Parts: sequence; C-alpha cells; structure tokens
Amino acid sequence: DSGVTQTPKHLITATGQRVTLRCSPRSGDLSVYWYQQSLDQGLQFLIQYYNGEERAKGNILERFSAQQFPDLHSELNLSSLELGDSALYFCASSGRTGTTGELFFGEGSRLTVL
Amino acid sequence: GDSVTQMEGPVTLSEEAFLTINCTYTATGYPSLFWYVQYPGEGLQLLLKATKADDKGSNKGFEATYRKETTSFHLEKGSVQVSDSAVYFCALRLIQGAQKLVFGQGTRLTINP
Repeated sequence: DSGVTQTPKHLITATGQRVTLRCSPRSGDLSVYWYQQSLDQGLQFLIQYYNGEERAKGNILERFSAQQFPDLHSELNLSSLELGDSALYFCASSGRTGTTGELFFGEGSRLTVL
Repeated sequence: GDSVTQMEGPVTLSEEAFLTINCTYTATGYPSLFWYVQYPGEGLQLLLKATKADDKGSNKGFEATYRKETTSFHLEKGSVQVSDSAVYFCALRLIQGAQKLVFGQGTRLTINP
C-alpha cells in the first residue's frame, strides 16, 4: 500500500460528459502529480501541484483541469470527454520540493468513454 | 528535452532465465534514476532507484547500476520467476525545473514456467 488513494477505481461514461477523479496523497506529502496511461502512449505527465499551487504542466488538454485543495487532496476534472480519453489515470505524491526521491503512486482510476 | 528509452517488448523468458532490460536516458542535469514495476491490474510500484553515478540499486533480486558515461540504467535479474511477469518502466527525475518523473515506454515481461 503506497498510501496514495484514488477514487473512483473504475468509471464508465459517455462522450461529451464530464468526470472528476480524486486523489488523496500520502500523509505529509505536499506534491501531487497526475499521469495518464493509455495503451499506445505509455505514461504521460499531465500536471503537478505543490502545496495548493500549480507547479508544472505537461501534455494536459485544455478540456482537462486540476486543483489541489487546502487539505492537499487533488481533483482532476475531465470535460467534453472523447473516446480517446479512455485511459488509466494515476495520481502520485512526493514529499518536499528540491529532492529527487521516488514518487508514490495510487492504484489508478480507469476511465472508459463509450 | 529529457527522455528515457527502453528496449522494446514484449519480452518472453522461461523461468530461471537471466533477464536484462535496457534503459538509456537523456537529461540536461544530473537525474535520479528509477525502475518501477506494474503488475497486472495494479498501480506502479518502485522496484529500485539510484541517485548518483555508479550507485547500484537492488531489490527482490533485481539490480541496476547508474552509468553516467553510457547514460544507462539497465535492469538485470539472474533468475526470473513466473511472479516477475509485469510491465517494467525506467524513469528519471531531475532536481531542477519540473520535478516530475519522465518515463520510458515500458517493457512487458512474461515468464513462462
């Protein structure tokens, strides 16, 4: 158990809809990262938050947004969903900035868009 | 930009065979290097790591040595088991700039009894 909790584990929805994925980092971790894992593109970095502020952005679509709340949990919002958004979405957390330790990953949220 | 290249899979071996999964990287600074493993239906777990040149990471019989001169971090195991069947990801992380993990494309390993 990594200590990172993601909900829901599975989600099936239709094109055009909007979903929210939730992540609770390990206790004490300030950084949260979101990754997308699709069959053909491996693990793609989406966005990072540190202590409530956006720190880095990767290949995140404009239809996607995220935030980190004062209690440090994070939400990834996916809107106007398309078939190609079907993927496994991982959240990871790490401790204080300025270190190069590992990231701790949740078990992922599997999104299926029909 | 920073990137990681892994040997393409899938890789299929017999139990007790020797395993090597090649990984090379390109980085603008001095990264830490990681191997993560993803078992079927699960998330990513850290397998091993190395934070500076010539460091050797090891865990569960797996080893990898940080080779700065060849920018490599190849994963090895002397005798694989069926339970090692999984997808293996090599990754780097830089201390400066965006401190995200940059992953290779993953190598699917299947071990047959």
